[in-house]
Amino acid sequence: QKEVEQNSGPLSVPEGAIASLNCTYSDRGSQSFFWYRQYSGKSPELIMFIYSNGDKEDGRFTAQLNKASQYVSLLIRDSQPSDSATYLCAVKVQGAQKLVFGQGTRLTINP
Amino acid sequence: DARVTQTPRHKVTEMGQEVTMRCQPILGHNTVFWYRQTMMQGLELLAYFRNRAPLDDSGMPKDRFSAEMPDATLATLKIQPSEPRDSAVYFCASGLVLGRNTEAFFGQGTRLTVV
Repeated sequence: QKEVEQNSGPLSVPEGAIASLNCTYSDRGSQSFFWYRQYSGKSPELIMFIYSNGDKEDGRFTAQLNKASQYVSLLIRDSQPSDSATYLCAVKVQGAQKLVFGQGTRLTINP
Repeated sequence: DARVTQTPRHKVTEMGQEVTMRCQPILGHNTVFWYRQTMMQGLELLAYFRNRAPLDDSGMPKDRFSAEMPDATLATLKIQPSEPRDSAVYFCASGLVLGRNTEAFFGQGTRLTVV
């Protein structure tokens, strides 16, 4: 089992709709979770992080964490064509200082 | 404008040659990561350093890869000898890791092609 798993997609969403991206992780002791966005040919950029159960909102982005289910999600409201990218989930492994990434989900927002 | 700087941006080399990639982390960051990204494997962690000390390099093929951090402003990743399967984008990322906080900021990457 991979440490961090994401559906590779592609996920296609119409402009203005809510895009929902999901991630599961295997290390039950993990406490820190991150979402990165990567445009084609570019490097990953950090867009959100979450440490505690519940939701964290930043503009059009909401990160949700459910530790019991070992599940992290990212919601993008009022999605725009500029949101089209690959979204990478990363988890800080307990007891170490390393970040492990999922494969990423390719998101396409259709005008 | 604080950012992670990687050189070279692109490298094409012949199989068997030595390749050295360099990274200048953001000033003040205490942790440096090296990742490799391919279509098949995604982002794989190769090695990382805390306060210049290597913490984990279990992701690297030990016989050909080596990572060092000779000073706080320079991290290097070396491949000797290189093989076609090493073709990938290599990213360096740095972060100020404190407790739960492990925000990592990526450089632009080195696109390596081994022919």
